[in-house]
Amino acid sequence: SQKIEQNSEALNIQEGKTATLTCNYTNYSPAYLQWYRQDPGRGPVFLLLIRENEKEKRKERLKVTFDTTLKQSLFHITASQPADSATYLCALPNTGFQKLVFGTGTRLLVSP
Amino acid sequence: EPEVTQTPSHQVTQMGQEVILRCVPISNHLYFYWYRQILGQKVEFLVSFYNNEISEKSEIFDDQFSVERPDGSNFTLKIRSTKLEDSAMYFCASRLAGGLNTQYFGPGTRLTVL
Repeated sequence: SQKIEQNSEALNIQEGKTATLTCNYTNYSPAYLQWYRQDPGRGPVFLLLIRENEKEKRKERLKVTFDTTLKQSLFHITASQPADSATYLCALPNTGFQKLVFGTGTRLLVSP
Repeated sequence: EPEVTQTPSHQVTQMGQEVILRCVPISNHLYFYWYRQILGQKVEFLVSFYNNEISEKSEIFDDQFSVERPDGSNFTLKIRSTKLEDSAMYFCASRLAGGLNTQYFGPGTRLTVL
């Protein structure tokens, strides 16, 4: 069955540094991959989508890469700020393109 | 900017009682979803709804669950006889027809079953 893995340990970084989060998946060949942000007690918020034929996608301080050979996506936040502290979720569509399958998320803590 | 809204924000109920969670999806969206998140766990798909019928449901979505779009704006999730293990955050989501599966989530309803 589809499996999505994200580092369950929190990532602690200092303000101004680049945060890099990893999403690995198995038993799956998605046409695209999405990243969401989730704050405590709130719903996921869509950030970026990257298609299988795109190597890299950028939006302001965010960058996502997608390596379909390694079955991995990397999510980068450059010049990180304390306001970036949240849990970041990787999500893949299922084969019927209906539901999203989420990873467990990685919690990012940016300290001043 | 249009948002998905959910009510109530927190629902406390006794085991065995029925609850109805309400959602107002974004107005021009045509696909609607319910997900749940047990504390400390990942967001899990429950059901998708399109064209006034369920298009997919998970193993979690058993006979105790039902969904309805009673009018042009609301989308509801009913749990007929709640169990302790139904305690979770329930998120409604919606998306446009066509295109890629980018879903917009509501703020969630925290359901506590005592």
